[in-house]
Amino acid sequence: QKEVEQNSGPLSVPEGAIASLNCTYSDRGSQSFFWYRQYSGKSPELIMFIYSNGDKEDGRFTAQLNKASQYVSLLIRDSQPSDSATYLCAVRSIIQGAQKLVFGQGTRLTINP
Amino acid sequence: DTEVTQTPKHLVMGMTNKKSLKCEQHMGHRAMYWYKQKAKKPPELMFVYSYEKLSINESVPSRFSPECPNSSLLNLHLHALQPEDSALYLCASSQEWTSGGANEQFFGPGTRLTVL
Repeated sequence: QKEVEQNSGPLSVPEGAIASLNCTYSDRGSQSFFWYRQYSGKSPELIMFIYSNGDKEDGRFTAQLNKASQYVSLLIRDSQPSDSATYLCAVRSIIQGAQKLVFGQGTRLTINP
Repeated sequence: DTEVTQTPKHLVMGMTNKKSLKCEQHMGHRAMYWYKQKAKKPPELMFVYSYEKLSINESVPSRFSPECPNSSLLNLHLHALQPEDSALYLCASSQEWTSGGANEQFFGPGTRLTVL
């Protein structure tokens, strides 16, 4: 079983709709979770992080965490064509006193005008 | 300054060449990272430096040699690479996790490496 799993997509959503991206993780002890957006040919850009159960909102983005189900999601409201990108879920672990991020395979999202 | 910079942007090298990738940050972060990313794959961690000391080496071949001369700089020395090492090499930095908070990692733009 992979440590962090995402549906690779592609996920196609009409403009103005809600895009829902999902991620599951295997290490029940994981505490911190990150969503990165990566445009083609560019480096990952941090969108949100979450470490408490429940929802965390930032503008059009909402991250949701359910530690009991080992599930984290990202909702994008009022989707725009500029949201078309690959979204990477990352889970942090601490190894030998240092941080390590493990990424899921990424979900490719396309917003259709 | 909330930026991580990397040079060069692109690098083409032969299998017998020696080259170096450079990364710099001025955010006061004490942890720095090298990742390798192949096309359509997620970034894979290679090395972690914490307070200028190597903390994690993800069993990377010795043809990749990291160096952290000071808290702002991170180098990756390349020697005798193989064509399969062609990838996007990403540098990232963060606060040390012991400082509390999210300690999120910020990525540089990457160096696109091609090994002929």
